[in-house]
Amino acid sequence: DAGVTQSPTHLIKTRGQQVTLRCSPKSGHDTVSWYQQALGQGPQFIFQYYEEEERQRGNFPDRFSGHQFPNYSSELNVNALLLGDSALYLCASSSTGTLNTEAFFGQGTRLTVV
Amino acid sequence: QKEVEQNSGPLSVPEGAIASLNCTYSDRGSQSFFWYRQYSGKSPELIMFIYSNGDKEDGRFTAQLNKASQYVSLLIRDSQPSDSATYLCAVNMEGDNYGQNFVFGPGTRLSVLP
Repeated sequence: DAGVTQSPTHLIKTRGQQVTLRCSPKSGHDTVSWYQQALGQGPQFIFQYYEEEERQRGNFPDRFSGHQFPNYSSELNVNALLLGDSALYLCASSSTGTLNTEAFFGQGTRLTVV
Repeated sequence: QKEVEQNSGPLSVPEGAIASLNCTYSDRGSQSFFWYRQYSGKSPELIMFIYSNGDKEDGRFTAQLNKASQYVSLLIRDSQPSDSATYLCAVNMEGDNYGQNFVFGPGTRLSVLP
């Protein structure tokens, strides 16, 4: 079992560009949540996808959007990148209806905006 | 807005000592609480969760929950240098034990000195 996998591992983008990050959930999981972790801070919830729809959303602007595919994998898109978007982006997968001790995090994508 | 606060670090303890990490949360309806450990540059990994008031022990780790005081703590006995990491307190946003989205605290950096 590969667990939760994210790609790419590291990414450097220029301010104003757009970026797409990818997440493959752990086998058997159907729900994907995305978090942003700025340096020295705890992860902040961006949104959650289930059944190919956004189910919950945190306090992030519309520049942050996502998608979930029929195979449960997910993408996070960020438009019009700002320097402040530089962070570690974490994907967590889980299975709806199971106890919340079963959420697993991927290794993250380190995004640097210059 | 649901908030989670942790005592500011860094916290330094000598090897073999007890490390005490504290966390308070704002939402009185919260039901499930988690401690994650995060090594530098890595993703968070779950080390303890607690649903009920009182103590819960798992090896060298003890989680303590007091819902009336909205307080959660983590004790690490016989601290080892390998315990040096950032410890994140997380609270489930959905007021039950199934919601898979979390509000994280800012983390406390623990340093165990040989």
